[in-house]
Amino acid sequence: SQTIHQWPATLVQPVGSPLSLECTVEGTSNPNLYWYRQAAGRGLQLLFYSVGIGQISSEVPQNLSASRPQDRQFILSSKKLLLSDSGFYLCAWSVHQSVDQPQHFGDGTRLSIL
Amino acid sequence: DAKTTQPPSMDCAEGRAANLPCNHSTISGNEYVYWYRQIHSQGPQYIIHGLKNNETNEMASLIITEDRKSSTLILPHATLRDTAVYYCIVRGSNYKLTFGKGTLLTVNP
Repeated sequence: SQTIHQWPATLVQPVGSPLSLECTVEGTSNPNLYWYRQAAGRGLQLLFYSVGIGQISSEVPQNLSASRPQDRQFILSSKKLLLSDSGFYLCAWSVHQSVDQPQHFGDGTRLSIL
Repeated sequence: DAKTTQPPSMDCAEGRAANLPCNHSTISGNEYVYWYRQIHSQGPQYIIHGLKNNETNEMASLIITEDRKSSTLILPHATLRDTAVYYCIVRGSNYKLTFGKGTLLTVNP
């Protein structure tokens, strides 16, 4: 069966510091991968998605970037965090290039910026 | 993607069926209906999805009306662990899942 791992579970960072959140998927090949953010009291917002190694699509221009160095690895980064980057970051996967198939989410990283 | 409307909250007695409604009157022919739930501080959990026909899996049943303008998620025997926010999402041929405010289902002992 497929599993998705995100780490760390919680993170507290100062404003202006860099960020790297990692997500890996096991049990499937060439999945579609996604990064979402959930701000406090708000719905999930799609940030990035990837249909293959090195292929990244950005949904919302912002202070963040994403990379996919390996087939089942998806990384969310920032060079300098802002207070507005606080939130609950979720990684998800779905079957490759099958738009109707559901997305499956990890347990998320709760990021607090001080 | 079509917009969905859900009641903000519902209650259900433990052991009874929970029926969660969703209106999606502007749904188009190629859009699927997805249901997810989110327990506090966890990632959303996929429950079920469908296009036209009713669907059933080990977690729930999805009933879609013939005109596809509304649907109902049925949890046949609700337990306390089913207390969560339930999201009804309509999605077409793109990768974005748009989560609204959902329905907070509280299962009472």
